[in-house]
Amino acid sequence: QKEVEQDPGPLSVPEGAIVSLNCTYSNSAFQYFMWYRQYSRKGPELLMYTYSSGNKEDGRFTAQVDKSSKYISLFIRDSQPSDSATYLCAMPNTGFQKLVFGTGTRLLVSP
Amino acid sequence: GAGVSQSPRYKVAKRGQDVALRCDPISGHVSLFWYQQALGQGPEFLTYFQNEAQLDKSGLPSDRFFAERPEGSVSTLKIQRTQQEDSAVYLCASSLRGGTAAPDSNQPQHFGDGTRLSIL
Repeated sequence: QKEVEQDPGPLSVPEGAIVSLNCTYSNSAFQYFMWYRQYSRKGPELLMYTYSSGNKEDGRFTAQVDKSSKYISLFIRDSQPSDSATYLCAMPNTGFQKLVFGTGTRLLVSP
Repeated sequence: GAGVSQSPRYKVAKRGQDVALRCDPISGHVSLFWYQQALGQGPEFLTYFQNEAQLDKSGLPSDRFFAERPEGSVSTLKIQRTQQEDSAVYLCASSLRGGTAAPDSNQPQHFGDGTRLSIL
């Protein structure tokens, strides 16, 4: 079993929809939780990060962490076609020397 | 440019050939990471440098994989006697400070666009 699990999708939604992307993890030592966005044939770019449990909002994006359930979510409001990409959750290992990534969820937002 | 630069962007090699992939990190960045991303998968850690020191190579799949960063800036990932299973995108990332991949405001990890390696 992988340390970080993520549904690969694809997830197809119409423009304007609210999108929910999720990951589960098994290592209770993880403290930081990140979401990266990766466009086709590009490198991942950091979208948001949170520390410990709780919510964090940035524009149309909200990241949510529930450490008791080992479950993290990324919500996208008013989704746009430009949001079409693969969304990767990631967590630094205990020594903070590497990131452990989920498989990535491919999101398609149709106009 | 201001970002992490990787070359070549695409590399095709025959099975058994040796390949070398280059990473130019952001100037002044202390930490450098290599990841391997197979098709439809998330990136997987290969190795980590702090300046010229290779502090973690636990993710290298076999002794055919070798990475170096001799002067603490440019890094090269070398794969000897390539196999078909080596086909993947190889991503390089750098961050400002050493010893951590933690994404505090001073030092997120910046990724390059990768080298897409195809072994025939």
